[in-house]
Amino acid sequence: GAGVSQSPSNKVTEKGKDVELRCDPISGHTALYWYRQSLGQGLEFLIYFQGNSAPDKSGLPSDRFSAERTGGSVSTLTIQRTQQEDSAVYLCASRDRLNTGELFFGEGSRLTVL
Amino acid sequence: DQQVKQNSPSLSVQEGRISILNCDYTNSMFDYFLWYKKYPAEGPTFLISISSIKDKNEDGRFTVFLNKSAKHLSLHIVPSQPGDSAVYFCAARGIDNYGQNFVFGPGTRLSVLP
Repeated sequence: GAGVSQSPSNKVTEKGKDVELRCDPISGHTALYWYRQSLGQGLEFLIYFQGNSAPDKSGLPSDRFSAERTGGSVSTLTIQRTQQEDSAVYLCASRDRLNTGELFFGEGSRLTVL
Repeated sequence: DQQVKQNSPSLSVQEGRISILNCDYTNSMFDYFLWYKKYPAEGPTFLISISSIKDKNEDGRFTVFLNKSAKHLSLHIVPSQPGDSAVYFCAARGIDNYGQNFVFGPGTRLSVLP
């Protein structure tokens, strides 16, 4: 597809389980971002990848959160030992490094931790 | 410490009237500002942007104004339409050690009443 693709669109899990969320950015986009939106809140920055550079992990809320970007394309956000406060919509966005700054967002993965 | 603030969580306007959404920022190093619109269950979509070297950018019914000295920007929608009802996020781009990062405000929910 032409846009940013995220999967799964919805995930319900039990507290303590691990989850993986996937993001397939727009082809050719070198920058990839993960944000999350908790209920009633704004967009919280999590992590950012730019090409082959070291990622900016400054937004990850705890060491239970990690992300990888393989081959400079697909990214996986992993949450270990999920907690109820991890429930949120996780949004992925990508950007063409030649672009002046617009981020293109996927539709998000809604995570519910019971 | 919120670097990008949208102090009005919600706004209601009558169809055909002007909608004015406000955004304030604290970091004078931000060089580019964007507005995104988000409908329920969808990812944010880019609306309009402005570089820090400009004070106004217009695109159809949407105009963004930037007042650098006040660290304030606003989005004007004229005339407002019911389809404009959505959450609007203000975002600012900054340069960090990893490249370009984007900080989002908490959003303002706009309701355009028919």
